[in-house]
Amino acid sequence: DVKVTQSSRYLVKRTGEKVFLECVQDMDHENMFWYRQDPGLGLRLIYFSYDVKMKEKGDIPEGYSVSREKKERFSLILESASTNQTSMYLCASSLWQGLNTEAFFGQGTRLTVV
Amino acid sequence: QKEVEQDPGPLSVPEGAIVSLNCTYSNSAFQYFMWYRQYSRKGPELLMYTYSSGNKEDGRFTAQVDKSSKYISLFIRDSQPSDSATYLCAIRDYKLSFGAGTTVTVRA
Repeated sequence: DVKVTQSSRYLVKRTGEKVFLECVQDMDHENMFWYRQDPGLGLRLIYFSYDVKMKEKGDIPEGYSVSREKKERFSLILESASTNQTSMYLCASSLWQGLNTEAFFGQGTRLTVV
Repeated sequence: QKEVEQDPGPLSVPEGAIVSLNCTYSNSAFQYFMWYRQYSRKGPELLMYTYSSGNKEDGRFTAQVDKSSKYISLFIRDSQPSDSATYLCAIRDYKLSFGAGTTVTVRA
C-alpha cells in the first residue's frame, strides 16, 4: 500500500522556536510537496522538490525552508515559528509519468504556535 | 491571480440530490485537471482526473472540463451521507495547485 508518513499528528511550539516537520514516503516518488491548509484558503503550496537536493519555492515560502537529502524524506523547517504559522501542514508525493497524475498525501500535522 | 479559484461554500444538500461543484482556472495551457476528496482529519485523496477537455464518468461522479471557458466541474448524482467531505479541484503543470475546497454536507 502506498504510504506517506508525517512524523507528528499534533505539535505545539513556542514563538521563536525552530520547528522541523518530517515527511517520509515509501513509493520511490520523485516529487514531494509541502502545503499548509487553512479554512477558506484551501491548500497553499509552500515548497516542492522534484529530486534529491532540489527544491523550488511554491506560493508562500516566506518563513519556511526545506531539506531533501534522501529521496524518501522531505523536511519542512520553520526557522523561527510565529503564531501566523499555526496551521495544518500536509506533505504529498507523486510520480508524474505520462497521464499518471496522482499525488498521495500524509495525514497532516496540526501545528499550533503559542 | 491564483491558478485555480473555487467557491469554498459550504454546501448542504438532502440525500439523493445532485451536487454540483465548480472551479475556474487562469492558464489556458493547463492540461491536467483533478478533483480530490478530503474527509475530516484525513489527507486529500484523488477522486478523479481529466486530461485536456471533455467528460469523465466514474459511477455516481462526473468530471467535466470546458477549456473554452476555463471551467472545471464535478457532479455527484444520488448523493449519500458518505459523500460528506471537502472537495478540492486541482491543476497540475510543473507543480500541483489547489482551489480553496468546498465543504459538502449531505443530510440523511
